[in-house]
Amino acid sequence: AQSVTQPDIHITVSEGASLELRCNYSYGATPYLFWYVQSPGQGLQLLLKYFSGDTLVQGIKGFEAEFKRSQSSFNLRKPSVHWSDAAEYFCAVGAEYGNKLVFGAGTILRVKS
Amino acid sequence: ETGVTQTPRHLVMGMTNKKSLKCEQHLGHNAMYWYKQSAKKPLELMFVYNFKEQTENNSVPSRFSPECPNSSHLFLHLHTLQPEDSALYLCASSQASQNYGYTFGSGTRLTVV
Repeated sequence: AQSVTQPDIHITVSEGASLELRCNYSYGATPYLFWYVQSPGQGLQLLLKYFSGDTLVQGIKGFEAEFKRSQSSFNLRKPSVHWSDAAEYFCAVGAEYGNKLVFGAGTILRVKS
Repeated sequence: ETGVTQTPRHLVMGMTNKKSLKCEQHLGHNAMYWYKQSAKKPLELMFVYNFKEQTENNSVPSRFSPECPNSSHLFLHLHTLQPEDSALYLCASSQASQNYGYTFGSGTRLTVV
């Protein structure tokens, strides 16, 4: 069965500092991996996705994520965080075929000025 | 514009009321989902519809009744709700057979009084 673990419930970073949000997945085959962001009271917005190929994927808003098969990880990174990045971030894993996605519990990012 | 529109954005209802949430997508997707998001709890998948047929019901109480008249529209009919049903209800859509990820609506904030 697929599962996703986001080990950090909350993370606080200073504006301008770098960011890394952790995501570990469990899946027997090649995973399809996603990162979503949710601002308060809003729906989830897709930041980026990994299907295959280059293990470093670029997304919107300056985010990137790296797929590491050996570590079953898909961590999200940003070199310099802006106050507007404060939100909740969700990692998700799915299979290539079908439409089932399993979401992690989310990581709340706080940005201090 | 996310491509998935949910109405209303906010809803306050008494425990004896009957109301409906509406979700509409114009992305050509053929799968639609209802999620419940409560404070400090993970996303809860409620219902899944593939090609207008319900394929998943995650032990949701019968006071929640979904309806999917076509692949573009999804409703959640509510009756005799409890205060603990207060939450953000999110609709999402996707392709049914290929996992490109979900597109979410902005949600309906439901308060049961």
